[in-house]
Amino acid sequence: SQQGEEDPQALSIQEGENATMNCSYKTSINNLQWYRQNSGRGLVHLILIRSNEREKHSGRLRVTLDTSKKSSSLLITASRAADTASYFCATDYTPSYDKVIFGPGTSLSVIP
Amino acid sequence: DVKVTQSSRYLVKRTGEKVFLECVQDMDHENMFWYRQDPGLGLRLIYFSYDVKMKEKGDIPEGYSVSREKKERFSLILESASTNQTSMYLCASSLPGMGENTGELFFGEGSRLTVL
Repeated sequence: SQQGEEDPQALSIQEGENATMNCSYKTSINNLQWYRQNSGRGLVHLILIRSNEREKHSGRLRVTLDTSKKSSSLLITASRAADTASYFCATDYTPSYDKVIFGPGTSLSVIP
Repeated sequence: DVKVTQSSRYLVKRTGEKVFLECVQDMDHENMFWYRQDPGLGLRLIYFSYDVKMKEKGDIPEGYSVSREKKERFSLILESASTNQTSMYLCASSLPGMGENTGELFFGEGSRLTVL
């Protein structure tokens, strides 16, 4: 069974707007990661947040983690057409740090 | 840069054939993974290996086996391919996720398998 579930499944926005994607998970975690996938390619790591962190920033990305609600959000600010891709959250789950499970993903379209 | 190389980008096989998907990483990572990706289902973990000759089943191991004889190479084997195994297969590697290591996964470009 999948650990993470992203919401929404698909999102379409205008260039310059902010994009927010949410992820919920089922069991306790050590880390939560976000990945990006361009069409037909492998996934690329964006950002990792540990279970004792609440917020993390990387460039135009902002990730929050609420372990009490078992949820995370990824915010992309000032979106660009090049941000068009699928975005996945991924979690390990205690006690294993290494086994990583992905959610079904959010497909983001940024319209120029 | 870490490189994860999957031997074939596209394969077409017939039902009942034995299929080997090969994956090689060049960064001495302990962990290696095989996922399959299907529309609407995201990535599902087939098998995970945390050391040479060590493996652990993922969520959907049925119909698959794996081999890890050397640290850099992780093979996915379909003993008798079936049409419902038509999919995109993604290999990944990582360092262990504890302590200072991030547990970040590095992915190959994927192998798109079609079983006729």
